[in-house]
Amino acid sequence: GENVEQHPSTLSVQEGDSAVIKCTYSDSASNYFPWYKQELGKRPQLIIDIRSNVGEKKDQRIAVTLNKTAKHFSLHITETQPEDSAVYFCAASHTGRRALTFGSGTRLQVQP
Amino acid sequence: DVKVTQSSRYLVKRTGEKVFLECVQDMDHENMFWYRQDPGLGLRLIYFSYDVKMKEKGDIPEGYSVSREKKERFSLILESASTNQTSMYLCASSNRGGNQPQHFGDGTRLSIL
Repeated sequence: GENVEQHPSTLSVQEGDSAVIKCTYSDSASNYFPWYKQELGKRPQLIIDIRSNVGEKKDQRIAVTLNKTAKHFSLHITETQPEDSAVYFCAASHTGRRALTFGSGTRLQVQP
Repeated sequence: DVKVTQSSRYLVKRTGEKVFLECVQDMDHENMFWYRQDPGLGLRLIYFSYDVKMKEKGDIPEGYSVSREKKERFSLILESASTNQTSMYLCASSNRGGNQPQHFGDGTRLSIL
């Protein structure tokens, strides 16, 4: 089955700096890679996703890159703000599988 | 906007009890999921369902069962609760097929004493 590894487990940055979270996956058939943000005490919410027919996707201050050959994908947050502080989860799936396999999460803390 | 509602935010039960966690979604989604969330382990899939009365085991189904009698409702059952099932339980739903965004409920923090 699919295995998703996520690094780092914790990340502390100064406000205004960039943050990068990396994930690797094992199943070469995977072609869908969403990222979820979970603020303290709240539900995980989808912030961006990418499908394997593209290598990069941007939405304002966040971007995701995908390297299918190396089987890894990354979340980039630029100009970080205190409200970006949360736990971020990557996940992977493929067309024939309805379920997602999640990484173990990254706790991002943005210091004002 | 998709709404996934879990019946309880906090629940305290005793070992050996039969525990029911309920989840309802209002977007006519075919797929529904139950995860447990533990620190450092991310979200682990317990069971999911892709249609009424249909279910599939996830990665950690032992000690759990599920029921989906109606499309909008998916129940997680702890047949005989044990202390190692103390955790945060999250329900999610998504549209038909694979590669669909999942929408989560607020979670149920379950403590087994």
